Amino acid sequence: AQKVTQAQTEISVVEKEDVTLDCVYETRDTTYYLFWYKQPPSGELVFLIRRNSFDEQNEISGRYSWNFQKSTSSFNFTITASQVVDSAVYFCALGGKAAGNKLTFGGGTRVLVKP
Amino acid sequence: ETGVTQSPTHLIKTRGQQVTLRCSSQSGHNTVSWYQQALGQGPQFIFQYYREEENGRGNFPPRFSGLQFPNYSSELNVNALELDDSALYLCASSLDGVGTDTQYFGPGTRLTVL
Repeated sequence: AQKVTQAQTEISVVEKEDVTLDCVYETRDTTYYLFWYKQPPSGELVFLIRRNSFDEQNEISGRYSWNFQKSTSSFNFTITASQVVDSAVYFCALGGKAAGNKLTFGGGTRVLVKP
Repeated sequence: ETGVTQSPTHLIKTRGQQVTLRCSSQSGHNTVSWYQQALGQGPQFIFQYYREEENGRGNFPPRFSGLQFPNYSSELNVNALELDDSALYLCASSLDGVGTDTQYFGPGTRLTVL
C-alpha cells in the first residue's frame, strides 16, 4: 500500500521568510512519481512540481525548490522569499502504475504568510 | 487555468437522494480521475476512467458510480446520499491512463448533504 505523511499541519511565517514543507512517503513500487499541489481557498488543486523516482537531482524553479532523497523516502518542498499569495494548503502526492493509476495524497500542510 | 471544468459549483441535497456531478477534461486528455476531499483532509481516490472504461477504483462503495463519454468528459453519480458524502469532489484529467501522467484538477464541486 502507498502512504504519504505530511507531519506539519500548519506553518505560519512572515513575508519574505523561507518555508520548507516536509513529505515522507511509503511505496513498494520501484518506479514512482511524486508531486506537490497547492490548494488556495478557492479549492482548486494547482499542480506545482513533479519528480520521477529514478531522477534524484534536486532543482529550483523560480521561488520553488525541492529536495528528493530516496534513501529516506522524503520529498521536501521549499518556497523561498514567501509572499502573501503563497498562503494555501500544500499537498504532497504519490503516484505509480502499481498503485492502480491513483494519486495518494498526504493530509496537507496549511501555510499562512503574514505581511 | 487547467482547462478542466466541473459543474455544478455547489450543490445541496438531502440524505437518500441521488446526485450527478460533471467534468470536462482538458483538451487532448483521455483520462479522468475523481477524488473526494472531506474538510481538512487530503483528496481520496474514487475511480478513474480511461477511454470510456473504468481503469482503477478506490475504497468506495458501489453507490459511487461513473462513466466517461466519447468526448472524454465524465460523470460521477452517487446514490442514496449519506451525511458523510458531504465533501469537495475533484475531477482531474491526464494525458493517458498509464498511471504516470500528471493529473490536472478542476475547481471542484462542493456537495452538502443535509
